[in-house]
Amino acid sequence: AQSVTQLDSQVPVFEEAPVELRCNYSSSVSVYLFWYVQYPNQGLQLLLKYLSGSTLVESINGFEAEFNKSQTSFHLRKPSVHISDTAEYFCAVSAGNTPLVFGKGTRLSVIA
Amino acid sequence: SQTIHQWPATLVQPVGSPLSLECTVEGTSNPNLYWYRQAAGRGLQLLFYSVGIGQISSEVPQNLSASRPQDRQFILSSKKLLLSDSGFYLCAWSRTGGYSPLHFGNGTRLTVT
Repeated sequence: AQSVTQLDSQVPVFEEAPVELRCNYSSSVSVYLFWYVQYPNQGLQLLLKYLSGSTLVESINGFEAEFNKSQTSFHLRKPSVHISDTAEYFCAVSAGNTPLVFGKGTRLSVIA
Repeated sequence: SQTIHQWPATLVQPVGSPLSLECTVEGTSNPNLYWYRQAAGRGLQLLFYSVGIGQISSEVPQNLSASRPQDRQFILSSKKLLLSDSGFYLCAWSRTGGYSPLHFGNGTRLTVT
């Protein structure tokens, strides 16, 4: 079975500062990895995904994540955050045809 | 394009009352369908998933049940709600295959009083 650990439940950061949201996974087989974002009282939206190929994946709004197999990590980064990035971020893992397993989420608060 | 509809958006129900939440998907055929519950500080908990009509897998034993009467319809039910059933319920769909991302509805905020 797969599991996901998001090490930080809350991350406050000043506007225009860089941020890293950490995600580690556990699996005995190859996995697919995802980051989702949730704005208040809304469903989750796919931010980016790693399926295969290049280990660095990017989203359209400046986030990127790097798959590191040796460290079993898929950390999410952004070099300069905006107020609008305030949201909850979920890391998720899937193996084959199994349903996605989500981490407990990291609440990113961007401070003006 | 595909869309997912989930209703109602908010619901307040007394303890012991029944529950029915509905989710429908448009623009795709034979999707995988999911019900998740989100409680504060606990992330997303998978409740049920379905790979086809009448096929339901339950992930967590509880007083909730799910049904899939049509290909693109997924219903979450309870005969008698408990206080602990309060939470944010999310329906999602995906294409078959573990590499397929989930697409979520806007959720239902359920408060059991």
